[in-house]
Amino acid sequence: QKEVEQNSGPLSVPEGAIASLNCTYSDRVSQSFFWYRQYSGKSPELIMSIYSNGDKEDGRFTAQLNKASQYVSLLIRDSQPSDSATYLCAALNTGGFKTIFGAGTRLFVKA
Amino acid sequence: AAGVIQSPRHLIKEKRETATLKCYPIPRHDTVYWYQQGPGQDPQFLISFYEKMQSDKGSIPDRFSAQQFSDYHSELNMSSLELGDSALYFCASSPAGSGGAYEQYFGPGTRLTVT
Repeated sequence: QKEVEQNSGPLSVPEGAIASLNCTYSDRVSQSFFWYRQYSGKSPELIMSIYSNGDKEDGRFTAQLNKASQYVSLLIRDSQPSDSATYLCAALNTGGFKTIFGAGTRLFVKA
Repeated sequence: AAGVIQSPRHLIKEKRETATLKCYPIPRHDTVYWYQQGPGQDPQFLISFYEKMQSDKGSIPDRFSAQQFSDYHSELNMSSLELGDSALYFCASSPAGSGGAYEQYFGPGTRLTVT
């Protein structure tokens, strides 16, 4: 099993819908997780970090962490065409100074 | 707010040449990471530095070396360049706490093309 796994998509949702992005991880990563958004040819942009079980909300974004099931998810409410991008799930390794990225999920929001 | 600065933004080199990429972290960030991202791929971790010491190492070729200086900026030196080294190179910085570093903020990247 890869350390961080994501469905590469593409995931297509209509404008205004909720987009749900999922990520699973192995025992070889620490308990620090991050979601980044990356537009084509641009650098990753941090959206959310989550370290504790449960939900964390920031505007239209909600990150969810379930340590028992080893998954992390990102919900985007009221999806906009400008949300169309690749979303990268990432975790720190157990040493804390190496970030392991998932392959990314491409999201398309249709107007 | 200040962001991570990378230079140059674009670089074209020929095979077997050398290249130096520079990264200036966000002020008061003491941890720097380097990533390589090929077309359609996720960022691959190369190396990280915390307080001017190498803190972790990933899939960095032996032809590459990096260091972090006293002012916390970092340089990635790449020698004997190969066509396969053509990629986007990102630098990220982060404040570190106990147990490791946290949120990373990425620079705009350097696009390296090897011909």
